[in-house]
Amino acid sequence: EAGVTQFPSHSVIEKGQTVTLRCDPISGHDNLYWYRRVMGKEIKFLLHFVKESKQDESGMPNNRFLAERTGGTYSTLKVQPAELEDSGVYFCASSSNRAEQYFGPGTRLTVT
Amino acid sequence: AQKVTQAQTEISVVEKEDVTLDCVYETRDTTYYLFWYKQPPSGELVFLIRRNSFDEQNEISGRYSWNFQKSTSSFNFTITASQVVDSAVYFCALSTPYNTDKLIFGTGTRLQVFP
Repeated sequence: EAGVTQFPSHSVIEKGQTVTLRCDPISGHDNLYWYRRVMGKEIKFLLHFVKESKQDESGMPNNRFLAERTGGTYSTLKVQPAELEDSGVYFCASSSNRAEQYFGPGTRLTVT
Repeated sequence: AQKVTQAQTEISVVEKEDVTLDCVYETRDTTYYLFWYKQPPSGELVFLIRRNSFDEQNEISGRYSWNFQKSTSSFNFTITASQVVDSAVYFCALSTPYNTDKLIFGTGTRLQVFP
């Protein structure tokens, strides 16, 4: 069974540009989470989807971040416009029963 | 408030030594779950274990063992006879069903095992 996949693995963009990160959860997992780790700090929750609905988006830093999960399958996280402080590793996780969350390899975003 | 503290930023050991990674948590909820994840150099987060707040039995899985003590709000992780492949960053995390099961992570402990 394929695990959680994320694309791209690494993205380098300039301040003010737009970037879209993609996450494909494990097939059949209704729950999808986004997390972010800024250099040297803890991994922080961004938001949680149940199927295509946003269950909790309390961790989204500001309105420059937009997450979608059309059709309840893959999810995208768009940052527009990107700022320097957005640099970090963005993780996606999925779960079937809101118990164990299985993580993807992450997308390393560098904003210069 | 919910919080996870991993006071050890980095630990270095020589192969075959035992090592314990500390984790202290804070929550007012009576039902909660505790987790350990491993992040090897390749970057992905690998699930190791989940414990619920009603089960204080220690868990052993091969060279790994976990000591959950509610009295001290700790969920420590011990690796016995460490190996070079154990080198990674280890994260402790907490979740509660009242908080949509989102994971609250500690800052991680980087373990380096030298041959």
